[in-house]
Amino acid sequence: AQSVTQPDIHITVSEGASLELRCNYSYGATPYLFWYVQSPGQGLQLLLKYFSGDTLVQGIKGFEAEFKRSQSSFNLRKPSVHWSDAAEYFCAVGAASGTYKYIFGTGTRLKVLA
Amino acid sequence: DGGITQSPKYLFRKEGQNVTLSCEQNLNHDAMYWYRQDPGQGLRLIYYSQIVNDFQKGDIAEGYSVSREKKESFPLTVTSAQKNPTAFYLCASSIGTSGRETQYFGPGTRLLVL
Repeated sequence: AQSVTQPDIHITVSEGASLELRCNYSYGATPYLFWYVQSPGQGLQLLLKYFSGDTLVQGIKGFEAEFKRSQSSFNLRKPSVHWSDAAEYFCAVGAASGTYKYIFGTGTRLKVLA
Repeated sequence: DGGITQSPKYLFRKEGQNVTLSCEQNLNHDAMYWYRQDPGQGLRLIYYSQIVNDFQKGDIAEGYSVSREKKESFPLTVTSAQKNPTAFYLCASSIGTSGRETQYFGPGTRLLVL
C-alpha cells in the first residue's frame, strides 16, 4: 500500500542555520513526490515536486529536495533558514497508476529562533 | 486572479444540525477535493470529484456529503451523523487525477461545535 512518513513532528532551528526535513515513502513503482508548506490558518502551497530525471529538484523560496530511491526518501533542505519559513511542511506521494491516490504525510512543524 | 475560495472562514454548528461549506474555483480544473485536517493527523481525504456530476468517497466520508453540479463548485455538507466535526476543512483542485498534478488549496474553513 502507498504511504508516506514524516518522522519529525516538530523541528526547531535558529535563523540562518541549515534545515533538513525528512520524508520516507512506500510505493511499488516510481512515485510522484511533492512538498507543500502551510502557514498557520492557511491552505497549502506547493514548494516543489519530483516525477523523474534529475534527483535533486529546486523549488520556491530557496528550498530543494533530493530523491533517493535506495532509501525511499525525499528529504527537503534549505541552506539558510529565515524567520518567515516557520510553518508546517507536508510531504505527499501521488500514485503513478491504478486507482487515484494522493497521500499526505502527517506534517512537520518548523519553529525558527531569532 | 485565479484561485480557490472557501467560505465561511469560521462556522459554528449546533447539535443535530447540518452545515454546508462552500468551495469555488476559477482555475478551470476538472478535479476537486475535500480534506479534513486535525492536529497531528495531516490531511485526510473526505471526497473527491474528477468531473462534473461525479464524485468518489475518500478515506473518511462517513457523516459527510457533497455535490458537483457545476465545474466551479464543490460544496461539502457536514451532517448530524458526523459526531466529531470540529476540524479545519480544506478544499483543493487540480487539472486531473493521474497523481502527478499539483493540488491548489483554498484558505480553509474552521468548523466548531457549539
